[in-house]
Amino acid sequence: EADIYQTPRYLVIGTGKKITLECSQTMGHDKMYWYQQDPGMELHLIHYSYGVNSTEKGDLSSESTVSRIRTEHFPLTLESARPSHTSQYLCASREGGANVLTFGAGSRLTVL
Amino acid sequence: KQEVTQIPAALSVPEGENLVLNCSFTDSAIYNLQWFRQDPGKGLTSLLLIQSSQREQTSGRLNASLDKSSGRSTLYIAASQPGDSATYLCAHQGGSEKLVFGKGTKLTVNP
Repeated sequence: EADIYQTPRYLVIGTGKKITLECSQTMGHDKMYWYQQDPGMELHLIHYSYGVNSTEKGDLSSESTVSRIRTEHFPLTLESARPSHTSQYLCASREGGANVLTFGAGSRLTVL
Repeated sequence: KQEVTQIPAALSVPEGENLVLNCSFTDSAIYNLQWFRQDPGKGLTSLLLIQSSQREQTSGRLNASLDKSSGRSTLYIAASQPGDSATYLCAHQGGSEKLVFGKGTKLTVNP
């Protein structure tokens, strides 16, 4: 049973809207990650955080931003959504010294 | 640039067969290698993690091996069941925080 929760699971919105994808974990993990995955393709790291007030950009350039004000919460925001942002966004976390990643169920975003 | 390749891209087998999924990586500097399962429209579930100092890990009907010298890992599934149908992903972690994922092998086990 995953202890990392993503909302919304599915979202269809129009171009230009601001959206926030929520990610929360109840495990007290220090490290949290956002991945982007297109159908049939690899996961690409877009943001990660080592802990509160820490955010880093990943390998894949993204117009999204993240924040980490609380340990358990790592929201991702798109200020102005475009059709090119249509994808699945996966949040993950892990304990600082351990290596196993726990993933949420994902948020599937469609921008019309 | 680290690349992770998974072969085959898709595999269909009858129930009960033993099967092997392959993962190769280009960066020999490896911290660990992880295997995940992804069901359609869902997130990833961690199956096995092999540290660089280990050769293999086992969990139930699953066995994963790691050969750093050849840059390969295999996931062996014994006595496959229809419930094993999913996409299996491997991910390489080098010296940084970042895991590099393969595109996955889509497995279908037919009753």
